[in-house]
Amino acid sequence: EADIYQTPRYLVIGTGKKITLECSQTMGHDKMYWYQQDPGMELHLIHYSYGVNSTEKGDLSSESTVSRIRTEHFPLTLESARPSHTSQYLCASKGQLATGELFFGEGSRLTVL
Amino acid sequence: AQSVTQLGSHVSVSEGALVLLRCNYSSSVPPYLFWYVQYPNQGLQLLLKYTSAATLVKGINGFEAEFKKSETSFHLTKPSAHMSDAAEYFCAVSGDFGNEKLTFGTGTRLTIIP
Repeated sequence: EADIYQTPRYLVIGTGKKITLECSQTMGHDKMYWYQQDPGMELHLIHYSYGVNSTEKGDLSSESTVSRIRTEHFPLTLESARPSHTSQYLCASKGQLATGELFFGEGSRLTVL
Repeated sequence: AQSVTQLGSHVSVSEGALVLLRCNYSSSVPPYLFWYVQYPNQGLQLLLKYTSAATLVKGINGFEAEFKKSETSFHLTKPSAHMSDAAEYFCAVSGDFGNEKLTFGTGTRLTIIP
């Protein structure tokens, strides 16, 4: 069982609010990722990090930002949420091996009214 | 760039019947290939992976997949479907130039008919 945790699991907020989705892992993985998932669509990589103080934008442009101050923690922030941000956000981490798999959290489902 | 195509966004099979979920990939270097399963309101869980060892890979819950380079395919199969197999299945590829980012397909929703 993967030791990667996301909070909140579900969040309903109004337009213009600032939100932070938390992601923590206890496996000591350097590599962490945020994917955005919409129904019937593939997972889109929006951010990734290969270690502390390292963050990169993914393949899908996103208005969210991330930080990596500690190895185990990779939060995602939206400064001003909009209805177009309504989606499921999945956090994942990966060990050192290039052949290693991603371990996923259970996701944070965000609804912006 | 690497990519994955999953044929069939929805697949229905009867309980006890063969499950076949199709995945074709594109990669400029020998790929690493993965199948993940997602149950409702949960994250993704690894079913199996191919990393250039045996071409027939066995995973959890009785699933297996065969890597066919000539067909650029990595189809997922299970001889006998169970009701608990109902879920969304994602194929993924990594490997381009040491790229450690996974590229996912659009997923196949598997429904099991009692």
